[in-house]
Amino acid sequence: AQSVAQPEDQVNVAEGNPLTVKCTYSVSGNPYLFWYVQYPNRGLQFLLKYITGDNLVKGSYGFEAEFNKSQTSFHLKKPSALVSDSALYFCAVRDLTDKLIFGTGTRLQVFP
Amino acid sequence: DAMVIQNPRYQVTQFGKPVTLSCSQTLNHNVMYWYQQKSSQAPKLLFHYYDKDFNNEADTPDNFQSRRPNTSFCFLDIRSPGLGDAAMYLCATSEWGTGGAGANVLTFGAGSRLTVL
Repeated sequence: AQSVAQPEDQVNVAEGNPLTVKCTYSVSGNPYLFWYVQYPNRGLQFLLKYITGDNLVKGSYGFEAEFNKSQTSFHLKKPSALVSDSALYFCAVRDLTDKLIFGTGTRLQVFP
Repeated sequence: DAMVIQNPRYQVTQFGKPVTLSCSQTLNHNVMYWYQQKSSQAPKLLFHYYDKDFNNEADTPDNFQSRRPNTSFCFLDIRSPGLGDAAMYLCATSEWGTGGAGANVLTFGAGSRLTVL
């Protein structure tokens, strides 16, 4: 079955420092991978996706993610974190029935 | 702006008292989803529609029902809410295009938070 794993429940980073939120995947066939962000008491918002092509995907709000086939990873990155980036981040993969399966989420806390 | 609107944002009900949550969209997307999310956990898909074709997840309790009277609206009915049904309910839409719905971006509403007393 298709799945994603987010190994960290929480990531803490100082404002201005680079951030990484980790995601690994397990799929049969070519993966369709996504990152979504959720602010408190809100729905999820799309950040970026990888379908095919360039392994470095650029998305909203200065985020990017690198697709690494050999490590089966799709880590979310940002060169310089903002306090306003503090939120819950979900990695997701399209499953064989064409639905999205979400990871367990990683809470990002950016400290001033 | 095209969007997904959920009402009410907050719903308080008593144990066993039926509840209906609504979702409307102006995106004209043909796929609509209902997710349940508990305590900042991963959203769990309850069911979805491809146009009027209803698709229930195998582990969705019978207590949960849905209606989609037209492209723009979708409803989630909880017939007899229990304490375990307290959660955020998220509606989302997507297009069924090249590569399938799963290749496309989901647009979420802000959610309806259900409290069961």
